[in-house]
Order: sequence, then C-alpha cells, then structure tokens
Amino acid sequence: QKEVEQNSGPLSVPEGAIASLNCTYSDRGSQSFFWYRQYSGKSPELIMFIYSNGDKEDGRFTAQLNKASQYVSLLIRDSQPSDSATYLCAVNTRTTYSGGGADGLTFGKGTHLIIQP
Amino acid sequence: DVKVTQSSRYLVKRTGEKVFLECVQDMDHENMFWYRQDPGLGLRLIYFSYDVKMKEKGDIPEGYSVSREKKERFSLILESASTNQTSMYLCASSFLETQYFGPGTRLLVL
Repeated sequence: QKEVEQNSGPLSVPEGAIASLNCTYSDRGSQSFFWYRQYSGKSPELIMFIYSNGDKEDGRFTAQLNKASQYVSLLIRDSQPSDSATYLCAVNTRTTYSGGGADGLTFGKGTHLIIQP
Repeated sequence: DVKVTQSSRYLVKRTGEKVFLECVQDMDHENMFWYRQDPGLGLRLIYFSYDVKMKEKGDIPEGYSVSREKKERFSLILESASTNQTSMYLCASSFLETQYFGPGTRLLVL
C-alpha cells in the first residue's frame, strides 16, 4: 500500500523565520506531489504542486522534490502567524477498475505548524 | 475559480437514521471523492466516482453508499448512522490529479 509520511509536529517557528515541512513517500513511481494547507475546522486548500525534481517557487512558498530520495518538502519564508495551520502532503495514485483507471491522491496525516509572534 | 459546495456545514443525527450528504461542483470535473477526517487518522477515502452512475470503493466503504446521477452532484449516504460515524466529511472534485475540496460537513451522531 502506498504511504505518505509526515512528522505530525507541532513544529514551532518564530515569526519571520523559514518553516521547513517534510514528507516522504513509498511509491517510487509517483509523479505528482501536492501541498495543501488546512486551518483548524476548515477544509484543505491547495497551495502548490510539483512534478519535476528541484525547486518550484510561488511567493513565499517553495516546494522541493527529490525523486531519488522519495522526498518532498515545503519551505515557507518570512513565516507569519496566519501560516499557522496543518500542512498536508499528497502524492498521486492511479486506481484501476474494470474499463479504465482514475487519478487520485494519497495524503499524509499532516504536520501542525505554529508560527510564534 | 473552482467551487465545490456541500449541503450542510453541521449536522446532528440520531443513531439508526439514514443520512444524506450532498456535494455539488461547478467545474465539469469527471472525478469526485468522499473522505472522512478524524484526529490522528488523517483523510480516509470512502468512495469515489469517475463518471455519472459509476463508483468505486475507497479504503473505508463499510456503512456508506454513494450516488451520482448527474455529473455535478455526488451524494454520500449513511444507511443507518452509528456513533462511530461522527466525523468531518469532505467532498472533493478533481481536474486530472488536482483535487479541490468543499467546506466540509461536521456530522455528530448521537
């Protein structure tokens, strides 16, 4: 069974510092990787996705992918108290059924991030 | 913007009741999903649908059924609600692999 592992935390980071969130996955054939942010009591919202090895930047967020090590990370620069949330890592899965297949995601359990003012 | 809506934000039901949770998406997505989320257990897939009237079991389908009569609507049915089905229920729809979530329904079964 495909697995996605994250440290549950809490990860405590001072305001203005860089928060580093890590994720490992078991399926070497995985091609697509996603980061979602989930505030307490709310639903997950997509932050960014990455397909290729290396870094992908979007504003204060940088996703890093190393397929050889089966490792994905999310860096948040200039952390703000509003970044305090649970961050979910997700990896693509392909489910086959009679007549075809469908794309889905396997989610990690999330890392709880706290930005201290 | 993708919009996924769920029929209720909060719901309180009695043990043994039949419960309907509805999800609607406005982006013509093929795939739709139902998850439940519990503390310490993360997101667990209950059912998904890849086309109208088509469905596949996820990891925890027991005690649940689904219906997809129209492309935009995916319903989750608890045939006879039990207290262990108290949870946050999340619907998602996807374009290729990217999933977009609705606001969630917090269900309490007494």
